[in-house]
Amino acid sequence: NAGVTQTPKFQVLKTGQSMTLQCAQDMNHEYMSWYRQDPGMGLRLIHYSVGAGITDQGEVPNGYNVSRSTTEDFPLRLLSAAPSQTSVYFCASSYSDTEALHFGNGTRLTVT
Amino acid sequence: AQTVTQSQPEMSVQEAETVTLSCTYDTSESNYYLFWYKQPPSRQMILVIRQEAYKQQNATENRFSVNFQKAAKSFSLKISDSQLGDTAMYFCAFTGNNAGNMLTFGGGTRLMVKP
Repeated sequence: NAGVTQTPKFQVLKTGQSMTLQCAQDMNHEYMSWYRQDPGMGLRLIHYSVGAGITDQGEVPNGYNVSRSTTEDFPLRLLSAAPSQTSVYFCASSYSDTEALHFGNGTRLTVT
Repeated sequence: AQTVTQSQPEMSVQEAETVTLSCTYDTSESNYYLFWYKQPPSRQMILVIRQEAYKQQNATENRFSVNFQKAAKSFSLKISDSQLGDTAMYFCAFTGNNAGNMLTFGGGTRLMVKP
């Protein structure tokens, strides 16, 4: 089983550029979410989805956009990259809203 | 809003010994779920243990166990017979009931197991 697949693993962007971080899961999970991990701050929720067609904001949504057109995919879009968005990004999914999250392997993003 | 606090940024333990990582949280909810995740240098997030707040019994998974004190809002992780492979960042996390599985994470504890 592939589980949660994130691409790319590494990315360098210039300020102002846009890009999409891809996330796909093959476990038929309804719940999907995006977190960012910064040193000393743990993981913080950016956006989440409770099913296809339904998304909502988390703790730090500014500068990011998401959509959920299928159960499997949950891409994260950076609209205009800023140095403050330099971070490690994790996509996660779960079967229900109380089960443990399954995480992807993360994307390290650097914005110069 | 819920908060999760891990007061020990770094800890070390000798191989084969026991170590306890602390976690406290703040919530007004009566039913919720708590987790410990391990993040080794590979960056992968691995579930260690899950605790349901309405269960009195402390969760255990092999060498890992928790001490869940609901009244004190404390959720510590005990690692017995520490192994070199336990070297990692450990994160405590909280989610409420019907919260869409939105997790609130603590800042993490970096654990070093020494040979």
